[in-house]
Amino acid sequence: DAGVIQSPRHEVTEMGQEVTLRCKPISGHDYLFWYRQTMMRGLELLIYFNNNVPIDDSGMPEDRFSAKMPNASFSTLKIQPSEPRDSAVYFCASRSTSGSRSEQFFGPGTRLTVL
Amino acid sequence: SQQGEEDPQALSIQEGENATMNCSYKTSINNLQWYRQNSGRGLVHLILIRSNEREKHSGRLRVTLDTSKKSSSLLITASRAADTASYFCALDSSYKLIFGSGTRLLVRP
Repeated sequence: DAGVIQSPRHEVTEMGQEVTLRCKPISGHDYLFWYRQTMMRGLELLIYFNNNVPIDDSGMPEDRFSAKMPNASFSTLKIQPSEPRDSAVYFCASRSTSGSRSEQFFGPGTRLTVL
Repeated sequence: SQQGEEDPQALSIQEGENATMNCSYKTSINNLQWYRQNSGRGLVHLILIRSNEREKHSGRLRVTLDTSKKSSSLLITASRAADTASYFCALDSSYKLIFGSGTRLLVRP
């Protein structure tokens, strides 16, 4: 398996622009998580899905952030409009609830810079 | 805050020495996990300890859990330069993980 795939790996955009981050979870995993990592706030859980349904979006900072999971193999995190304080590394992770393992598998992250 | 608090924030040791990192938390947990993050990379799962376990080993890693004190420790024995990374504890309660602030470990060759 290729692991969790994220694209793009780096994104530089200007304030006010729309940004879309993409994630392909590991096949067969039924949970998908979006995290944001900054020096100031550490690793924050933004939202997570179970079987493509959003379960908890309490970590989404503002209405400018939205996430979708149209099918089991694809999810997007959208920021519209983007602001400089959104600059961070965004990680996607997935896990399976089958069996006894509960570890999460992380993608390589998308480094977002908003100018 | 539900997240784990890690101690120390940074640790510098000589290759071959042992490294100990601690995690304290406030909420009840199903299990506690430890992850490693190399610079510029995603997190990698290291080890999981369930709430009814007190100690667990995996290779050079030893994890302890004291639920009465709400604390856990990660010991890396015979450290190597390749162990240089940030280490995070993560509290697992109902499928989502809440990560601590991390310990930055530097192993000097």
